[in-house]
Amino acid sequence: QKEVEQNSGPLSVPEGAIASLNCTYSDRGSQSFFWYRQYSGKSPELIMSIYSNGDKEDGRFTAQLNKASQYVSLLIRDSQPSDSATYLCAVMGGGSYIPTFGRGTSLIVHP
Amino acid sequence: NAGVTQTPKFQVLKTGQSMTLQCAQDMNHNSMYWYRQDPGMGLRLIYYSASEGTTDKGEVPNGYNVSRLNKREFSLRLESAAPSQTSVYFCASSEDGTGVGYTFGSGTRLTVV
Repeated sequence: QKEVEQNSGPLSVPEGAIASLNCTYSDRGSQSFFWYRQYSGKSPELIMSIYSNGDKEDGRFTAQLNKASQYVSLLIRDSQPSDSATYLCAVMGGGSYIPTFGRGTSLIVHP
Repeated sequence: NAGVTQTPKFQVLKTGQSMTLQCAQDMNHNSMYWYRQDPGMGLRLIYYSASEGTTDKGEVPNGYNVSRLNKREFSLRLESAAPSQTSVYFCASSEDGTGVGYTFGSGTRLTVV
C-alpha cells in the first residue's frame, strides 16, 4: 500500500521566517508530487507541483524533491500570517494516476 | 469561470435517509473524483471517473454509489445514510491522467444524526 507521511504539527514559525514542511513516500515508482494548501473550513488548493529531482521555485514557495531518499519538501520564505493553513502532500505515479494524500501538516505563522 | 461547483454546502440527514451530492465542472476535464475528509484521516478517495462513461471504486466506496451523468457532472449518492458517513465531502476534477493536479470544489459538510 502506498503511503505518504507528514508530521501533523502544528509547525509554528514567526513572521518573516522560513517554514519547512516535509513529506516522505513509500512508492519508489512515484513520479508526480504536489503540495496543496487548505485553509480551515475551505477546500484544498494546488500551490506547487514537481516532477524531477531538485528545486522548483514559485515566488516565496520552493518545492524540493529527492527521489533517492523518497522525500519532498516545501519551503515558504518570508512566512506571513496568511500562510497559516494545513499543507497536504500528494504523490502520484507507479502506474496509477490517482494521487495518495498525506494527512497534512498544520502551519501557524505568528506575528 | 466557476471551476468545480458542489451542492449542497451543508446537509443534515437522519440515519437511513438517502441523498445525492451534486458536482459539476466547467473546465472540460476528463477525470472527476469524490473524496471524504475526516479529522486526522486526511483525504480518502471514495469513487472516481477517469472519463465519461466510466467509474471505479476508491479506498472507501462502501455505502456510496456514483453516476457520471456526462462530462461535466459526477454525483455521489448515499442510499441509506449512517452516522459514520458524517464528513466533509469534496469533489475534484483533473484534465487527464498525466499527473496534473486537481481542482477541488468547495465541499459539502454532511452530518448524519
